Amino acid sequence: AAGVIQSPRHLIKEKRETATLKCYPIPRHDTVYWYQQGPGQDPQFLISFYEKMQSDKGSIPDRFSAQQFSDYHSELNMSSLELGDSALYFCASSSPWGLGYTFGSGTRLTVV
Amino acid sequence: TQLLEQSPQFLSIQEGENLTVYCNSSSVFSSLQWYRQEPGEGPVLLVTVVTGGEVKKLKRLTFQFGDARKDSSLHITAAQPGDTGLYLCAGAPGSGGSNYKLTFGKGTLLTVNP
Repeated sequence: AAGVIQSPRHLIKEKRETATLKCYPIPRHDTVYWYQQGPGQDPQFLISFYEKMQSDKGSIPDRFSAQQFSDYHSELNMSSLELGDSALYFCASSSPWGLGYTFGSGTRLTVV
Repeated sequence: TQLLEQSPQFLSIQEGENLTVYCNSSSVFSSLQWYRQEPGEGPVLLVTVVTGGEVKKLKRLTFQFGDARKDSSLHITAAQPGDTGLYLCAGAPGSGGSNYKLTFGKGTLLTVNP
C-alpha cells in the first residue's frame, strides 16, 4: 500500500539558509499535517491543510511557511534557519474518516 | 488546550514481563490513538479507540478507552525485545470530524531486555 512520502530524508543546512521539505500524502487523504519533533520530545504540531486550504496552525515560527498544491503534495519552507530548528520534521495525512494519521518517515534537518 | 499526561515516561523491563502504559487527560476526546515510533522513523499507528469503555486487542497488546473518553491504557503481555520503542498516545478533539489536530502525550520509552 502507498505510504506518505517525504523528501529529503536528511538535510544539512547552515544558519540563515533556507530549506524546503516535501510531502506526498496517501492518495485520497484529504488532510495533511506537519509536525516537528526535537530529540526526546513528542511531536509538536506546526500546520495542517484540508483540501489544499490551511486548516489549522500550531507553534509554527513566522520564518516557516507551508502550502498544499493542486496535486495534494505539500511543502514546508523554512527560512533564516537557526540551530534550534534542528529536528525531525514529519508529515502525516489522514482520510476523510479521520481515524488515524499515517506518518511519513520524516526529514531529519540539521542546522550547523 | 487539551493535554495528555502519559506515564511512565521511561520503562525498562525483562523479556516476558507484562507492562501497562497510561494516558490521562481532563478533556474528552472523540478518539484516542496509540502509535509506536522507532528512532529516526515516523510514528506508526497501532490502534484507534473511539467508544467509551472500548477494548481492542492486537496480539499481545490490549488497548482500553476509558468510559468517559478521557483516558486510555496500553497493556503488553509477555513483552519481547521487538516491542522496544517509543509509545505515543494521541487524542483527537471532542468535536471529532475528519479534519483535526492530534494532541500527543510525551511518550513512553520502552526497553525490553533479552
